[in-house]
Order: sequence, then structure tokens, then C-alpha cells
Amino acid sequence: DSGVTQTPKHLITATGQRVTLRCSPRSGDLSVYWYQQSLDQGLQFLIQYYNGEERAKGNILERFSAQQFPDLHSELNLSSLELGDSALYFCASSVLGQGTEAFFGQGTRLTVV
Amino acid sequence: AQSVAQPEDQVNVAEGNPLTVKCTYSVSGNPYLFWYVQYPNRGLQFLLKYITGDNLVKGSYGFEAEFNKSQTSFHLKKPSALVSDSALYFCAVSSTGFQKLVFGTGTRLLVSP
Repeated sequence: DSGVTQTPKHLITATGQRVTLRCSPRSGDLSVYWYQQSLDQGLQFLIQYYNGEERAKGNILERFSAQQFPDLHSELNLSSLELGDSALYFCASSVLGQGTEAFFGQGTRLTVV
Repeated sequence: AQSVAQPEDQVNVAEGNPLTVKCTYSVSGNPYLFWYVQYPNRGLQFLLKYITGDNLVKGSYGFEAEFNKSQTSFHLKKPSALVSDSALYFCAVSSTGFQKLVFGTGTRLLVSP
């Protein structure tokens, strides 16, 4: 168990809908990262938050947004869902510091039908 | 920009034989290099990292990795493979500043009995 909790584990929704994925980082970790893993795109970095502030942005679509709350949990919001958004979404957390490893949650498998 | 290349989609090895999973990287500044393993329907698990110091890094489950600055490589190795090592292996790199892990496309390791 990495200590990073993601909910829900599975999500099935229809095209055009909006969903929210939730992540609770390891105790003491201030950084949260979101990644998307799909068969054709591999593991893609979406966005990073540190202590509530956005720190780095990757290949995140405009239909997607995220935030980190004062209690450090994070949510990834996906809207106007398309079939191609079906993927495994991972949250990871780490302490601040160069070269510190990130610990990953079990992921949320999103299926858009 | 950071990038990681894992040239082999799959590596096949017999149980008991040594294994190598290859990784090369590109980054500005000093690299921080990581290996992660992913079992089916699971999140990524941290195996080992190179920050500085000894070029041979030892990690979990008997794995080690060799950092070679001149060849910009960070190959994962294990002296004697186990069937239970069969999984998807990811190499990742970050550099100075707030961490943003960039992952390779992954290498599937299959260890046959």
C-alpha cells in the first residue's frame, strides 16, 4: 500500500458527461501529480500541485481541470467526456525536494461509453 | 525538455537468467532517474532511484540499475530473474526544480519458467 488513496476505483459514464476523480496523498506529502495512462499514449503527465498551487502543467486538455484543497487532497475534473478519454488515471504524491520519488495510487479506471 | 526512451517493448528471459531492461534519457542539468514497476490492475510501485553518487544503485526485490552519464543511460538489471518479476517496467526522469516525472513508454518483462 503506497498510502495514496484514489476514489472511485472504477467509473463508467456516457459521452458528454462530467466526472470528478479524487485523490488523498500520503500523509505529509505536499505535492500531488495526475497522470493518464492509455494503451496508445502510455503514461502522460497531466498536472502537478504543490500545497494548493499549480506548479507544472503537462498534456492536460482544456476540458480537464484540477485543484488541490487546503487539506491537500486533490480532485481531477473531466468534462464533456469523449470515448477517447477512457483510460486509467493515476494520482501520485511526494514530499517536496529534488529527486524525491513519487508514490502512486491504484488509479481510477474511467470508461466512457 | 526531458525525455526518456525505452527501446524495447518487451523483454523475454528465462527464470534464473540475468535480465536487463534498457533506458536512455535526455534532460537539461543533472538528471534524477527512477524505475517503477506496474503489475496488472495496479498502480506504479517505486523500485529505485539515482540522484548522485555511486553509479550502481540497488533497489527493491533484488533489482539494481547502472547510471552511465556518457551514454545517458540508466539500465535496470537483476542477476537472476523470477517468474514473479513479470510486469511492466517504467523508467522516469526529472531534473532540478519541482519534480515533474517524465516516463518512458514502458517495457513488458516476461520471465518464463
